[in-house]
Amino acid sequence: GQQLNQSPQSMFIQEGEDVSMNCTSSSIFNTWLWYKQDPGEGPVLLIALYKAGELTSNGRLTAQFGTTRKDSFLNISASIPSDVGIYFCAGQDLDSNYQLIWGAGTKLIIKP
Amino acid sequence: DAGVTQSPTHLIKTRGQQVTLRCSPKSGHDTVSWYQQALGQGPQFIFQYYEEEERQRGNFPDRFSGHQFPNYSSELNVNALLLGDSALYLCASSWLARASREQYFGPGTRLTVT
Repeated sequence: GQQLNQSPQSMFIQEGEDVSMNCTSSSIFNTWLWYKQDPGEGPVLLIALYKAGELTSNGRLTAQFGTTRKDSFLNISASIPSDVGIYFCAGQDLDSNYQLIWGAGTKLIIKP
Repeated sequence: DAGVTQSPTHLIKTRGQQVTLRCSPKSGHDTVSWYQQALGQGPQFIFQYYEEEERQRGNFPDRFSGHQFPNYSSELNVNALLLGDSALYLCASSWLARASREQYFGPGTRLTVT
């Protein structure tokens, strides 16, 4: 099935570091959603973006809807151990009628 | 406020058997979408139900079918199970009547086909 290009695939970070990840699409999206998934759980919605250029924060998380409408970015500031998990971007293009198209995920790992 | 619930949590089936998975949407939501998530991958859209009808379908064979009930809960049925159907099946609910594009997920049903 169709997927977004999400990078990096995984990240090893020190506690307290800032984290950045992004997703790109070959088609224009009208919605970008960012989710976090812990092992054995369903994805949890973190941030929803609806307009090109939109910048939205949720605590230490900040996400942006790219101006080309083909990309989105998620930043996590001052990472803490509970940030560990897999982060997914998901988008809806103009024709998908609410179907979500997903990236392959970015796995965040805290260095011991 | 109850979130999305799914049952069962885990299921083991044999090739060729049939399985039914169940989902209750978040309170107030009217739309249910089903996704299949293979290990190490993002979810893949199976189909979406609204007003008891299938509104949209992903690239899945007819062995995958569903139903939505008047109380908005939903079932996913898979016939003639294959080993490749082993995955985490996720249900997501949303509020289509409010044109909301946010989807909220349940914990999933882990299906193992042997």
